[in-house]
Amino acid sequence: DSGVTQTPKHLITATGQRVTLRCSPRSGDLSVYWYQQSLDQGLQFLIQYYNGEERAKGNILERFSAQQFPDLHSELNLSSLELGDSALYFCASSGRQGGDEQYFGPGTRLTVT
Amino acid sequence: AQSVTQLDSQVPVFEEAPVELRCNYSSSVSVYLFWYVQYPNQGLQLLLKYLSGSTLVKGINGFEAEFNKSQTSFHLRKPSVHISDTAEYFCAVAQGPNAGGTSYGKLTFGQGTILTVHP
Repeated sequence: DSGVTQTPKHLITATGQRVTLRCSPRSGDLSVYWYQQSLDQGLQFLIQYYNGEERAKGNILERFSAQQFPDLHSELNLSSLELGDSALYFCASSGRQGGDEQYFGPGTRLTVT
Repeated sequence: AQSVTQLDSQVPVFEEAPVELRCNYSSSVSVYLFWYVQYPNQGLQLLLKYLSGSTLVKGINGFEAEFNKSQTSFHLRKPSVHISDTAEYFCAVAQGPNAGGTSYGKLTFGQGTILTVHP
């Protein structure tokens, strides 16, 4: 158990819909990262928040957004969902802005039908 | 920008045999290097990391890796594998500190190597 929790574990929704994925980092960790894992793209970095502020952005679509709240949990919002958004979404946390190991949650499997 | 190439998509091996999973990276700046393992239907677990210091890094479950800056490689090795090592292994790179000492956490992953250990 990494100490990072993600909910829900599975999510099935229809095209055009909007969903919210939630992540609670390890106790004391200030950085939260979101990654997408799909068969065709592999593991890709989406976005990082550090102590409530956006720190780095990767290949995140404009239809996707995220935020980190004062209690340090984070939410990833995916809207206007398309079939191609079906993937495993991982959250990871670390203590610093960078230069340290990241601990991954169990992931949320999103299926868009 | 960094990139990572894992040279083998699948590696079959017999139990108790040694194994090497190969990883090469590309970066114009200093890097931090990681190996993660993913068991079926689970998240990623850190095996080992190279941040600085000794280029030979030991991790969990008997794995080790060697950072070779001249060859831009970070190959993962285990002298004797077990059935329970069957999993997918990911090599990842993060940008090292800039001139101001700021580090960046974004991980760039390789495509993964599926290690299958046969009895």
